[in-house]
Amino acid sequence: DSGVTQTPKHLITATGQRVTLRCSPRSGDLSVYWYQQSLDQGLQFLIQYYNGEERAKGNILERFSAQQFPDLHSELNLSSLELGDSALYFCASGSLNTEAFFGQGTRLTVV
Amino acid sequence: GQNIDQPTEMTATEGAIVQINCTYQTSGFNGLFWYQQHAGEAPTFLSYNVLDGLEEKGRFSSFLSRSKGYSYLLLKELQMKDSASYLCAVRVSGNQFYFGTGTSLTVIP
Repeated sequence: DSGVTQTPKHLITATGQRVTLRCSPRSGDLSVYWYQQSLDQGLQFLIQYYNGEERAKGNILERFSAQQFPDLHSELNLSSLELGDSALYFCASGSLNTEAFFGQGTRLTVV
Repeated sequence: GQNIDQPTEMTATEGAIVQINCTYQTSGFNGLFWYQQHAGEAPTFLSYNVLDGLEEKGRFSSFLSRSKGYSYLLLKELQMKDSASYLCAVRVSGNQFYFGTGTSLTVIP
């Protein structure tokens, strides 16, 4: 158990809808990262938050947004969903000079 | 941008040794990480190099050459359960992690 909790584990929704994925980082970790992994693809970095502030953006679509709350949990919002957004979404957390610890992921299926 | 390359697939025999290579071109390099990922599961941390040389952890070793932008993961005494995807990741200044597309390793009897 990495200590990173993601909910829900599975999500099935229709095209055009909006969903929110939730992540609780390991106790003490200030950084939260979001990644997208499509079938047979690598981990695509979406966005990083550090202590409530956006730190870095990767390949995140404008339809996607995220935030980190004062208690350090984070949410990833995906809107106007398309079939191609079907993927595993991972949250990871870490601190300075540590590795990234991954949650179990949310499997999103858009139908 | 970040560019990280590793072979897509490898096959090796149970009990053997396999080396998975990774080359990278990044700005603000601050460490090279290897993760193991079984299908549909979370990546789990294997090893970390920030200085040149070899780091050994049991059956797993990882090597780094910063001047060449090159790392490898060495797996010894392969077991069937080692069949998985192995991800090379670079940490950059600012503490972001960028991943290669992963090497799918199949261990055969």
